[in-house]
Amino acid sequence: DIKMTQSPSSLSASLGERVTISCRASENINNYLSWYQKKEDGSVKLLIYHTSRLQPGAPSRFSGSGSGKDYSLTISGLESEDIATYYCQQGYTPPLTFGSGTKLEIK
Amino acid sequence: QVTLKESGPGILQPSHTLSLTCSFSGFSLSTYGMGVSWIRQPSGKGLEWLASIWWNGNTYNNPSLKSRLTVSKDTSNNQAFLKVTSVDTADTATYYCAHTLGSSYTFDYWGQGVMVTVSS
Repeated sequence: DIKMTQSPSSLSASLGERVTISCRASENINNYLSWYQKKEDGSVKLLIYHTSRLQPGAPSRFSGSGSGKDYSLTISGLESEDIATYYCQQGYTPPLTFGSGTKLEIK
Repeated sequence: QVTLKESGPGILQPSHTLSLTCSFSGFSLSTYGMGVSWIRQPSGKGLEWLASIWWNGNTYNNPSLKSRLTVSKDTSNNQAFLKVTSVDTADTATYYCAHTLGSSYTFDYWGQGVMVTVSS
């Protein structure tokens, strides 16, 4: 199985700040990397797929980058509605696996 | 507009079989490349992919649950199903179904989730 290591596990940032979350796969996943946002109410939304493609409807302040084993999600200007837990997921090969999550809070 | 909604028993006893239904709209599970996946999250833990069923009837199961999982679909009624046999307390979780793109194994639309508690 491909292991996804996500960091940090929690993050406190100020409104307007630029935030970056990292995800490392245990092997090359050829850009098959997605990012999800899970809110406290349990709702889950796709933000980024195939490393850097913005899901329609996702705010443009979210962006993704990376290649090979290493990927990142950046929020360029944190807003209060971004308070959530973020997960990466590899879609390269089953079993499909997720990172352990990054809980984002407002400082 | 794609929407999905999970339904299930809420609570069930250990050793019983969990049956979940995913009712969806906005797409057809007979369309090439479409799939529905099941993902769960125990309280305080991470997301775990369980299984996927595809437009052509093929299924992928997470081998970590061995042969306990069965996924199926009713294309004409826009539903997908998950059965988990021999449940125990470790299966207590919120279960989600999600529309899945076969080209990239991306879960692009999720249901609201249904809480399942295994307890005697």
